[in-house]
Amino acid sequence: AQSVTQPDIHITVSEGASLELRCNYSYGATPYLFWYVQSPGQGLQLLLKYFSGDTLVQGIKGFEAEFKRSQSSFNLRKPSVHWSDAAEYFCAVDPQGAQKLVFGQGTRLTINP
Amino acid sequence: EAGVAQSPRYKIIEKRQSVAFWCNPISGHATLYWYQQILGQGPKLLIQFQNNGVVDDSQLPKDRFSAERLKGVDSTLKIQPAKLEDSAVYLCASSERTSGRNNEQFFGPGTRLTVL
Repeated sequence: AQSVTQPDIHITVSEGASLELRCNYSYGATPYLFWYVQSPGQGLQLLLKYFSGDTLVQGIKGFEAEFKRSQSSFNLRKPSVHWSDAAEYFCAVDPQGAQKLVFGQGTRLTINP
Repeated sequence: EAGVAQSPRYKIIEKRQSVAFWCNPISGHATLYWYQQILGQGPKLLIQFQNNGVVDDSQLPKDRFSAERLKGVDSTLKIQPAKLEDSAVYLCASSERTSGRNNEQFFGPGTRLTVL
């Protein structure tokens, strides 16, 4: 079945440490891929997106993501996290380029001081 | 530039009551989306409008949910009657058009509904 999987429900890292959030998708063709962040009481904000081309994409707030076709993955990374990065992170796919986003269940990120 | 506005921000009702949510998209955005986000899950698309027409409502529970965008600007989502499982955050989003690589969806803060 077509799906988006974020294997980690909750991740805790120390401030200044590196971060990687995992995302796997199950679609026949490579869909459009997105990462969103949701802070408490706020709407979703787009961090970055991948459509084609260079498999390493840069986003806002120092985030980047790498598309790996062979693994059907689109993992989000940040070299050094800040306390303000604590939030819920959602991976999303747009299977047909029609802006019908399918979201993963999210990963909650906690930052230890 | 003003973002997507939603009201109310919070609503508590009893089951079998009705409730309505309002969304005002970013000015000039032709496409409007309603999502349901149940606690612990990612948002799920309920309905997508292009101007005042429905593009996709395949995941809208039409026996109790309805939505309209009469003048192609703001939109209302209604639930009647509400069930316990409707407790969720209802997110509205808008974008300039329906498709295209640079067509970003902008999300409002959401309405948190609690059904008792």
